Amino acid sequence: RKEVEQDPGPFNVPEGATVAFNCTYSNSASQSFFWYRQDCRKEPKLLMSVYSSGNEDGRFTAQLNRASQYISLLIRDSKLSDSATYLCSSNTGKLIFGQGTTLQVKP
Amino acid sequence: EAGVAQSPRYKIIEKRQSVAFWCNPISGHATLYWYQQILGQGPKLLIQFQNNGVVDDSQLPKDRFSAERLKGVDSTLKIQPAKLEDSAVYLCASSLTDNTEAFFGQGTRLTVV
Repeated sequence: RKEVEQDPGPFNVPEGATVAFNCTYSNSASQSFFWYRQDCRKEPKLLMSVYSSGNEDGRFTAQLNRASQYISLLIRDSKLSDSATYLCSSNTGKLIFGQGTTLQVKP
Repeated sequence: EAGVAQSPRYKIIEKRQSVAFWCNPISGHATLYWYQQILGQGPKLLIQFQNNGVVDDSQLPKDRFSAERLKGVDSTLKIQPAKLEDSAVYLCASSLTDNTEAFFGQGTRLTVV
C-alpha cells in the first residue's frame, strides 16, 4: 500500500463549481500535512499547510481527519486558473507525496 | 529571499553515460530533499538530508545513484550509468526543519536516449 494515496482524476468541473479532493495516508505517525499545486511542466508550489483544526485561505479549505487518516481540500467557486494538479503530502520525518489529482475547470 | 536553485535545467544524455545535478537550498534550511518525478506521477523521494546527514535513502537505487551534501549546504545527485527509465524531472527541495513545508527548485529535466 502506498504511503499517500490520491484519486488521480481528472476532475472536470464548470467554472463556479465546488470541488473536493481527498487524500489518505497510511502512517498514523504522520506529523504534518501539506497541499501543493503543480502546473504543467512546473515545480510543485505550496498551496497550504493542513492543521488539526482545519484551515481556510480564501476559496480553499483544508481539513485533517486523524481518526480516518485522510486530508481533504475543498475549492469553492472554481476559476479557470485553478486548473492544475494538486498534490498532497504527509511528513513522518520524511516528506512523501501522493500521485496528484488533476483538476480541469471548464468555461 | 532567493529560492532553491538547481542546475542544469535540461540535460540529454545517452544511456550508460553519467550525469550530475546540483542544488543550492534556501539559506538556513537544514533539510534538503531530492525527488524524481516521472510524467503523470507524483514526486518520489530519493534521498533526504538533515544538514549533511542522510535521513532516508530507501528509494535511492544505490547501484547507480549517489548523492552528497557536503558542509550541509549545496548538494549533488549523480547517476552513473544512466538507463532509459531514468528519464524524469529531478526536483530538489528544502525546508527549515524536517517537519515544515518544503520549497522546490525548478527541477532538472533529464532525457536518456
